[in-house]
Formats: sequence, structure tokens, C-alpha cells
Amino acid sequence: DAGVTQSPTHLIKTRGQHVTLRCSPISGHKSVSWYQQVLGQGPQFIFQYYEKEERGRGNFPDRFSARQFPNYSSELNVNALLLGDSALYLCASSAANIQYFGAGTRLSVL
Amino acid sequence: AQSVSQHNHHVILSEAASLELGCNYSYGGTVNLFWYVQYPGQHLQLLLKYFSGDPLVKGIKGFEAEFIKSKFSFNLRKPSVQWSDTAEYFCAVLFEGFGNEKLTFGTGTRLTIIP
Repeated sequence: DAGVTQSPTHLIKTRGQHVTLRCSPISGHKSVSWYQQVLGQGPQFIFQYYEKEERGRGNFPDRFSARQFPNYSSELNVNALLLGDSALYLCASSAANIQYFGAGTRLSVL
Repeated sequence: AQSVSQHNHHVILSEAASLELGCNYSYGGTVNLFWYVQYPGQHLQLLLKYFSGDPLVKGIKGFEAEFIKSKFSFNLRKPSVQWSDTAEYFCAVLFEGFGNEKLTFGTGTRLTIIP
């Protein structure tokens, strides 16, 4: 079975631009969560979606938004990129309170 | 606010040594506890989990962890480490009662095993 897949793998943007990151959950999983991992730190929770509804939001500015589609895939959008948004963005899908992580999208903001 | 602490930032051990990595959390309610491992160049993988029942849980690759409720701790152990255990280890906690599956992670412990 395929695990959680994320695209793209790497992305380079400049300050002020917008970015969209994509995630496909494990087949049968209805919940998707997004995390930001900055070098040297643990992942920080951004959003959780379940059945297309937002279930939780972390301490991130409104520039960050997400949505979930009928097939349970998800997008994370970040507007007006800042240098500090450079990080590894992780997507996790879950079942029975166990989260399974994708390989992440490495975003570099120049 | 709920938080998770991992006090060991970088641990260096020789092969066959015993390992214990500390994890503490701050919350008096019900928790689900996890240890994840991130091998170099790979994604986060679940090592083991505790939801309820026997506080001593066994995971993959010979790892185990003990939940001590009175100490708010969930320490990871392995009796004899191998070079292939070199990785970053993250403790994560799901604090129940907030209506979502937010995981709160510790800052991670980098483990280096010397052959």
C-alpha cells in the first residue's frame, strides 16, 4: 500500500510569493494534518482536517490556510511568504489516533 | 499550555550500550503517547505508542517505553543499540479533550552510535 505522498519534494520561492503544497493520504484515512518542521526543532502543528472540516488550527498566522477535498487529499496554502517560512512541511494522515507521515516538502524562501 | 520536553539534545553511544531517552509532558488529563524516529534522509516513522493498559509498551526494532503517570514521563529504552539506530528521535503527545488530533512534539534527540 502507498503511504502518505506529498508534492512537490522541494520548492524554492521568493519573499511575497504564494505557495501550494499537496498531500494524498493513505487509502481509507479520512483525516489529514499539516506540520511545520524547522531545522533543529520538532514538528509544529498547523492544521487538522477530517471529512473536509477543519478540526484544529495551530498558532500560525492567517497567511496559512488549508482545505481537504472529497477524495480526502489536502492542500496547504501559504500567502505572502516570509524568510521564516523556510521549513520542511509534513503531512500526516491518521486512523484510530495514529498519524502516519509523508516525506515532506522542503520549502526554501529567498 | 501543554508542552513536551526532551532533555537530551544529542546522545552519543557505542554499539551494544544501553539507551534511555527522556520525555516529559505537562498536562494532567488523558494523553496518548508516541515515539517517532527519523532516520537520515527518511520520513518520520512510528516506533511505538501508548494509549492505555500496560504502561510498558514494546515497539519495533527492540525499543520499549514506560509510561509513568505520576512523573508525566514516557522514556524510551533499548538494552543494546546498533549502529543502524543512528537517527533523530521525537517524543509526541496527543492531549485528549480538545476535539482534534494535534500532536505536540518535543524538540527531538539526535542519537549517534559509534561502531
